Amino acid sequence: DVVLTQTPPTLSATIGQSVSISCRSSQSLLDSDGDTYLNWLLQRPGQSPQLLIYSVSNLESGVPNRFSGSGSETDFTLKISGVEAEDLGVYYCMQATHAPNTFGAGTKLELK
Amino acid sequence: QVQLKESGPGLVQPSETLSLTCTVSGFSLTSYSVSWVRQPSGKGPEWMGRMWYDGDTAYNSALKSRLSISRDTSKNQVFLKMNSLQTDDTGTYYCTRDPGGVLDYWGQGVMVTVSS
Repeated sequence: DVVLTQTPPTLSATIGQSVSISCRSSQSLLDSDGDTYLNWLLQRPGQSPQLLIYSVSNLESGVPNRFSGSGSETDFTLKISGVEAEDLGVYYCMQATHAPNTFGAGTKLELK
Repeated sequence: QVQLKESGPGLVQPSETLSLTCTVSGFSLTSYSVSWVRQPSGKGPEWMGRMWYDGDTAYNSALKSRLSISRDTSKNQVFLKMNSLQTDDTGTYYCTRDPGGVLDYWGQGVMVTVSS
């Protein structure tokens, strides 16, 4: 199975600070169809995960544009440009290029 | 609007079978796939399997021998059955809409505890 390694495991930020989360894959996530099926999700405390970004850099409808995704092959990054209080929770990367779909272990974003 | 809701028993005895139902609204099961994802408390999610829009199924190989996913399109429901439950199967079980691995809508989840 594809292993996704997220760093850091915990991130402390102040409101307004910009932060980045890394997700590294044990295999290339570039599919034979030319797409790269790497998604980012946020799980707020006590809630279900919600989709933020799909296929590396596409912002899900309704998600603020302070969130952005980048990367290719095996290295991916989620950036939050100006953290807001509602952004606190655990961020997961998830791949759907290879079966079975797999998730990273998560990065917890907390207030400093 | 798109909604998914899981239902099923909160407590299952070890070695017994778990049966969960996902009832969907706002989209058709013949147009979108639905995946099941579980999450042990305090840990990351694990993809379990998928009911494809065309009725085919896909399973996580780690669970394949114990897992079965089916559907009733007339009732807008997807079903999960997993046998031989053990304590490490305890966690929250979610159903999600799955257009090509994106998992764009999630149910509220159902907490399942495996204990005698």
